[in-house]
Amino acid sequence: RKEVEQDPGPFNVPEGATVAFNCTYSNSASQSFFWYRQDCRKEPKLLMSVYSSGNEDGRFTAQLNRASQYISLLIRDSKLSDSATYLCGLETGGYQKVTFGTGTKLQVIP
Amino acid sequence: EAGVVQSPRYKIIEKKQPVAFWCNPISGHNTLYWYLQNLGQGPELLIRYENEEAVDDSQLPKDRFSAERLKGVDSTLKIQPAELGDSAVYLCASSRGTVNTGELFFGEGSRLTVL
Repeated sequence: RKEVEQDPGPFNVPEGATVAFNCTYSNSASQSFFWYRQDCRKEPKLLMSVYSSGNEDGRFTAQLNRASQYISLLIRDSKLSDSATYLCGLETGGYQKVTFGTGTKLQVIP
Repeated sequence: EAGVVQSPRYKIIEKKQPVAFWCNPISGHNTLYWYLQNLGQGPELLIRYENEEAVDDSQLPKDRFSAERLKGVDSTLKIQPAELGDSAVYLCASSRGTVNTGELFFGEGSRLTVL
């Protein structure tokens, strides 16, 4: 089983829609979780960290479910500019080693 | 603040040729990473440095790949000889080295095509 798994998509959603992605992980010792955004042919950039209590940043909400070993990203009121690949990342053991999933591609259509 | 700088941005070589990539991390970032990213895949770690020390190189194919980070700043990643399957984007990233922050700053990547 891969350490981090994501549905590669693509998720095609209309503008204004709400969309959610999940990311499952296999190592229960994983300590820190993140969502990165990667635009086409660009480098990944940190979107948000995922805390145990969940966190929200504008239209974006991230949650962690340790019991079921997954994290989620919810995007409300999707914009065309949200079209990108969303990478799930996790850090295990506090060693600054970040492992990424394959990414989920989102395409927001007018 | 300048970001992570990588060069070259693009490189096309024939198989069996050598190739080298260079990375200059953000000033003050102690941790430096080299990731490989294939089309449609997430970044895969090749090697991680803490200052000058390679602390995780378990995924680096040592028969043909080598890396160095002299003086704990710039780093180079070399492939010799390159194979067709090495065609990918090689991403360099750096971080402050603070535990559990997970915030990696990536360079724009070096896109390698092996013919």
